[in-house]
Amino acid sequence: ILNVEQSPQSLHVQEGDSTNFTCSFPSSNFYALHWYRWETAKSPEALFVMTLNGDEKKKGRISATLNTKEGYSYLYIKGSQPEDSATYLCAPGYFGNEKLTFGTGTRLTIIP
Amino acid sequence: GAVVSQHPSRVICKSGTSVKIECRSLDFQATTMFWYRQFPKQSLMLMATSNEGSKATYEQGVEKDKFLINHASLTLSTLTVTSAHPEDSSFYICSARADTGAEFYEQYFGPGTRLTVT
Repeated sequence: ILNVEQSPQSLHVQEGDSTNFTCSFPSSNFYALHWYRWETAKSPEALFVMTLNGDEKKKGRISATLNTKEGYSYLYIKGSQPEDSATYLCAPGYFGNEKLTFGTGTRLTIIP
Repeated sequence: GAVVSQHPSRVICKSGTSVKIECRSLDFQATTMFWYRQFPKQSLMLMATSNEGSKATYEQGVEKDKFLINHASLTLSTLTVTSAHPEDSSFYICSARADTGAEFYEQYFGPGTRLTVT
């Protein structure tokens, strides 16, 4: 069983502040890392997929970085807004295995 | 695009009955779909990989006779919880991988089904 850890488990951030959280995963045989945003009562929505060491992806105020050698990824949110409140999940995939393994998520709450 | 629906969103059933949950890819074909279960405050745990036209592949510890999976077409997979018991109460969510254009194992998720067994 792969150990995918996300920290912190939950986070409260004041509206307008920036924040970041971490996903760590086994680096051996790594293929790709997915980040999803999961709002209550909705389907998890794909944010980013990253494959290369040093990759950085950006979507609006949200960005992510990837270190495949040490097995971690950071997700950053700049100038948090109430609509950013959600659970953020990371899921690495590995060569030769079509499955994704999900972390427990970081539950982000933006305080107006 | 890439919308996955799941039905029902909530179901309450009596112990000993069976419940069927449907997962549909609405605007793409998906040879491969996945079924997950989420326990409170835990991650999405993969139960099985559903393949159109062949038997599902179950993860270790998941009873295939208890959780029947049928992938009848390129847009529909069903999960039937047979002889449900209170310990089967959980949140079940499916995902689908598009046959074309899916990058790096990307999966599209349904909204999930909350099952309560009384």
